[in-house]
Amino acid sequence: DAGVIQSPRHEVTEMGQEVTLRCKPISGHDYLFWYRQTMMRGLELLIYFNNNVPIDDSGMPEDRFSAKMPNASFSTLKIQPSEPRDSAVYFCASSLGPRETQYFGPGTRLLVL
Amino acid sequence: GQQLNQSPQSMFIQEGEDVSMNCTSSSIFNTWLWYKQDPGEGPVLLIALYKAGELTSNGRLTAQFGITRKDSFLNISASIPSDVGIYFCAGQGVDNFNKFYFGSGTKLNVKP
Repeated sequence: DAGVIQSPRHEVTEMGQEVTLRCKPISGHDYLFWYRQTMMRGLELLIYFNNNVPIDDSGMPEDRFSAKMPNASFSTLKIQPSEPRDSAVYFCASSLGPRETQYFGPGTRLLVL
Repeated sequence: GQQLNQSPQSMFIQEGEDVSMNCTSSSIFNTWLWYKQDPGEGPVLLIALYKAGELTSNGRLTAQFGITRKDSFLNISASIPSDVGIYFCAGQGVDNFNKFYFGSGTKLNVKP
């Protein structure tokens, strides 16, 4: 299997622009997670899906952030409008089940100027 | 929320030395995971622990799930330069099986 695939790997944008991050989980994994990693706060869970349904979005920072999973093989994390403090590495991870280990994608490095 | 304390924050060691790092939690965990993250990459799973007291090895790596279910350690024996990276612990709480909480990481530097 190719593992979790994320795109783009790097994104540089200007404040106020819309940013869309994409993720393809490992085939057959029913759980998909979005994380954000910063030096200050480490790895933070933003939201996770089970069978394409958002289960817990309590980690989403504010209304500017939204995530969707239209089907089992694709998810997006959108930031609109983006702000400089959103600059971070965003990871997508997937797992087979609730107690199964999560496999991470390579991440998207976002820089908002 | 859950609090995970990981130590040390960073380590500078000589190639061939053994390394030990640990994580402690303010709450009981059901699962402990240890990941390694290389620069520019996502975390990669090293070892998963599912039972209190469990001791698991993966090559030169050994990890244990503490008896109290509030701690875990990771040992690396005979370190080599490619061990360089950031090591994260992650714990799964009893209140929400789907949520893993991550430690702040231990940055390992190995001098050849």
